[in-house]
Amino acid sequence: TQLLEQSPQFLSIQEGENLTVYCNSSSVFSSLQWYRQEPGEGPVLLVTVVTGGEVKKLKRLTFQFGDARKDSSLHITAAQPGDTGLYLCAGATNSNSGYALNFGKGTSLLVTP
Amino acid sequence: EAGVAQSPRYKIIEKRQSVAFWCNPISGHATLYWYQQILGQGPKLLIQFQNNGVVDDSQLPKDRFSAERLKGVDSTLKIQPAKLEDSAVYLCASSHKTSGSTDTQYFGPGTRLTVL
Repeated sequence: TQLLEQSPQFLSIQEGENLTVYCNSSSVFSSLQWYRQEPGEGPVLLVTVVTGGEVKKLKRLTFQFGDARKDSSLHITAAQPGDTGLYLCAGATNSNSGYALNFGKGTSLLVTP
Repeated sequence: EAGVAQSPRYKIIEKRQSVAFWCNPISGHATLYWYQQILGQGPKLLIQFQNNGVVDDSQLPKDRFSAERLKGVDSTLKIQPAKLEDSAVYLCASSHKTSGSTDTQYFGPGTRLTVL
């Protein structure tokens, strides 16, 4: 199992601030996904990045995949209370047994008004 | 389109008891996953089915956990006997594509298990 380290583990900011969450690994992934999970719910996919160096934007969220496909970052501009949740990165690997996701422990984000 | 359904949503049992969870994936999704998410951690894959066959169960504690997907649609995950460390949220997910490609996994709301 490839280990994914996420940082910071917890983040509490005020509405309007910017933030960046990191996801690092020593392993190379075929793709990397970011999910957001709210209390009492399952994770919901935000984005999939596949190509090294790839940057994807989803409204105020910017996702970047490292050139070596080992790390990724999520940047949120002008955070809003609705952004509160657990942000999980997951690295995907393909093998003879199929396609599997390895999740990091997540970054718990709290945005206060 | 209906999402992934799971039941029950909550379950409290005593150690050494048995428990079963049920999952109904999105219609037409070939692949079904069971994850265990311990508080403060990310989901950990327990078992992956493609239709009614097991693709990966390398992280399933087979001495106490079992899962089946007999007709290739809904699935059950069973723990017998439960231990304190089994307290977690059990998430079911499904995806449309078969193995070998990055695909969107749709998660259910999970079953929160507390073992006393």
